[in-house]
Amino acid sequence: AQTVTQSQPEMSVQEAETVTLSCTYDTSENNYYLFWYKQPPSRQMILVIRQEAYKQQNATENRFSVNFQKAAKSFSLKISDSQLGDTAMYFCAFANQAGTALIFGKGTTLSVSS
Amino acid sequence: GAVVSQHPSWVICKSGTSVKIECRSLDFQATTMFWYRQFPKQSLMLMATSNEGSKATYEQGVEKDKFLINHASLTLSTLTVTSAHPEDSSFYICSAWTGENQPQHFGDGTRLSIL
Repeated sequence: AQTVTQSQPEMSVQEAETVTLSCTYDTSENNYYLFWYKQPPSRQMILVIRQEAYKQQNATENRFSVNFQKAAKSFSLKISDSQLGDTAMYFCAFANQAGTALIFGKGTTLSVSS
Repeated sequence: GAVVSQHPSWVICKSGTSVKIECRSLDFQATTMFWYRQFPKQSLMLMATSNEGSKATYEQGVEKDKFLINHASLTLSTLTVTSAHPEDSSFYICSAWTGENQPQHFGDGTRLSIL
């Protein structure tokens, strides 16, 4: 069975700084999808970034980028130029193919302060 | 973009009553919808997978007679919590898949409080 591990329950960073959230996963599949979701206090689930395992290039969305290390089964999220609005819970998630259920990590609560 | 509407957003009811939660894809047809449950400050746990026109597939430990799922059309799935009790109080959130190589889209969730 696939598992997703986020080892940082809480992290804090100051505005404009860079922070990296860690995620490791376990699977025997060769092709799969990895995601980072943001859940602010409103509890909406907001897709931050998505990576397909067969793509070697790391995904990037504006200030958000990932470091995908397939052999190490690692998928970290880097947030550059942190903003107060980045304060939220961040979940790493795995899907073994498009259209299948997501397996979530336990989440990392990120606090951005001024 | 793809929008998923979930209703109601918050419901409070007495123990023993049944509560229905709707999940609608507003501008696309959803081949598959998923129902997740989230306790405070915890992760999302999959409850069931719902495919249009067929019976839902429940995860181990989820009582299918208590959490009734109906996916009658390509744009609507419903979750009914039957004979709800305080331990059923939680945040329930649905997601819908448009098909092909696309990510899931989440509803805004339903906060259920059973007194």
